[in-house]
Amino acid sequence: AQSVTQLGSHVSVSEGALVLLRCNYSSSVPPYLFWYVQYPNQGLQLLLKYTSAATLVKGINGFEAEFKKSETSFHLTKPSAHMSDAAEYFCAVLDGGSYIPTFGRGTSLIVHP
Amino acid sequence: GAVVSQHPSRVICKSGTSVKIECRSLDFQATTMFWYRQFPKQSLMLMATSNEGSKATYEQGVEKDKFLINHASLTLSTLTVTSAHPEDSSFYICSARDGPGFYNEQFFGPGTRLTVL
Repeated sequence: AQSVTQLGSHVSVSEGALVLLRCNYSSSVPPYLFWYVQYPNQGLQLLLKYTSAATLVKGINGFEAEFKKSETSFHLTKPSAHMSDAAEYFCAVLDGGSYIPTFGRGTSLIVHP
Repeated sequence: GAVVSQHPSRVICKSGTSVKIECRSLDFQATTMFWYRQFPKQSLMLMATSNEGSKATYEQGVEKDKFLINHASLTLSTLTVTSAHPEDSSFYICSARDGPGFYNEQFFGPGTRLTVL
């Protein structure tokens, strides 16, 4: 079964600092990977997705993620954090048969002024 | 992107009562809808998948008689929590997809906070 592991339940950064949220996947086949963001008491919003077209994927709000097969990783980055980036971030892998995503446990991003 | 709405956004009920949550796709036809449950500070747990006009497929460990799902049209799915108890208190999120394949994106509703007293 495919799965994702998000390292760190909380990540704290200062406003303007680099954001790095880690995600490692486990898959026996080429994976389809996603990052979602969830603001308090809201549903999930798609940030970006990897579909094997390019290893560096650019998403909304200045976020990007790089697929590294050798490291089985799909880490999310943003060069400069904004206060509005404070939210819960979920990495997900898509099941190739049902096309239903399996989510990681989530990482809470805290941005300090 | 496409919009999925949920109603109500919050509901408080007494133990033993039933609660119905609606999920609507506002500007597209959803061939498949999903219901998730999310505990505080935890990930989303898929409860069931429903296709319009057919019975829902429940994930292992989810009581189908407890969580009734109806997908009566291409724009509406409902989740009814029957005889709710405090342990059913949670954040319920629905999502909808406009087709069966990988390139059909899944859109999420804003969630419903259920509190059972």
